[in-house]
Amino acid sequence: SQELEQSPQSLIVQEGKNLTINCTSSKTLYGLYWYKQKYGEGLIFLMMLQKGGEEKSHEKITAKLDEKKQQSSLHITASQPSHAGIYLCGAENAGNNRKLIWGLGTSLAVNP
Amino acid sequence: GAVVSQHPSWVICKSGTSVKIECRSLDFQATTMFWYRQFPKQSLMLMATSNEGSKATYEQGVEKDKFLINHASLTLSTLTVTSAHPEDSSFYICSASKVVKETQYFGPGTRLLVL
Repeated sequence: SQELEQSPQSLIVQEGKNLTINCTSSKTLYGLYWYKQKYGEGLIFLMMLQKGGEEKSHEKITAKLDEKKQQSSLHITASQPSHAGIYLCGAENAGNNRKLIWGLGTSLAVNP
Repeated sequence: GAVVSQHPSWVICKSGTSVKIECRSLDFQATTMFWYRQFPKQSLMLMATSNEGSKATYEQGVEKDKFLINHASLTLSTLTVTSAHPEDSSFYICSASKVVKETQYFGPGTRLLVL
């Protein structure tokens, strides 16, 4: 079965620093979603990538899907305390186009 | 657009009672709603997928008689935890999507504590 591995598991950065979170799949990704979750709250949709080599940006967050469609990275430029939270990647299951499988999340703390 | 609400946000109940959690898509019609469970410091675990007007599809290991799901309209799905026990205490999150292959939009979650 398909699995998603996120790295690092947790990250603490100083405000203003750049950071990257990775999401690696054991199989080809048919749709890769990035969400952000604040502790004890729901998930906020960030971006969705489908095509190999695709890159999308929203404010200071950029997500890329590699050409082989097995790895995605989320890059935050000039991090701010508001970026703190848990970042989750989710991928469409190739066998069922409605369900998502999830990584375990990356916990990000940004020190002011 | 694409706002999903959940009610209640917090619920504390006694063991043996039933609890109903509502998930509503406020500004769109959701053909499919998903119910997830999340334990502390763990990722989301899909419990079931519900389509409007039909029976929910439960994931392996999820008791359908314990977690009753009703998707009565295109904007409302409910999850009822029947005869709740302390081990059912968790964070329950729903999501909704507009059409097939559409992005899932998540509710804020409901924290259930069973005493």
